[in-house]
Amino acid sequence: EPEVTQTPSHQVTQMGQEVILRCVPISNHLYFYWYRQILGQKVEFLVSFYNNEISEKSEIFDDQFSVERPDGSNFTLKIRSTKLEDSAMYFCASSRSQKQIGKNIQYFGAGTRLSVL
Amino acid sequence: AQTVTQSQPEMSVQEAETVTLSCTYDTSESDYYLFWYKQPPSRQMILVIRQEAYKQQNATENRFSVNFQKAAKSFSLKISDSQLGDAAMYFCAYALSGTYKYIFGTGTRLKVLA
Repeated sequence: EPEVTQTPSHQVTQMGQEVILRCVPISNHLYFYWYRQILGQKVEFLVSFYNNEISEKSEIFDDQFSVERPDGSNFTLKIRSTKLEDSAMYFCASSRSQKQIGKNIQYFGAGTRLSVL
Repeated sequence: AQTVTQSQPEMSVQEAETVTLSCTYDTSESDYYLFWYKQPPSRQMILVIRQEAYKQQNATENRFSVNFQKAAKSFSLKISDSQLGDAAMYFCAYALSGTYKYIFGTGTRLKVLA
């Protein structure tokens, strides 16, 4: 069964540094998403991406964050000038279509744990 | 704003027994979808079961079934004949029709005892 792949599984960075989290969505999927989960808290939506544009973003997704699909297979989340509170598990997801969201389910990766020291 | 609440941080069940995981949500909308996702340790979340709000019939997938109470805004997951492989974190999620995002609960960690 096709999977969403995220690398690395664990990323450690110093406060103020930039990090790029990488995701390879399922190959025939067109919609891409990032979520995050701070330890002990809910999984929170960050952003959705379609046709090389952000289609929806949350209040969390401020100018510190950016997303990109640099080639035909990767989908990245860049966090500039990381802060301690950016420490979280970051999940990538993809879906074949966004229409009828309930029918076109989101497939998730295993996550990247980001630790900001 | 829509919210999802899972009040059980952790549950245990004996192998072959039945367990029910609770989920409540808050919304003023009528057209939405509900999901249960399972996340085994260090693995990706996979969809267990989903429910369309407009359907009165409770969804079932093999040993997994839901009790969807729309008026009470409750969406519990029942796992029958629990197996060791069912041990995982279970997330309840809500998606409003026409939006891109899922809204998750905090999750319930299920332990299956041999």
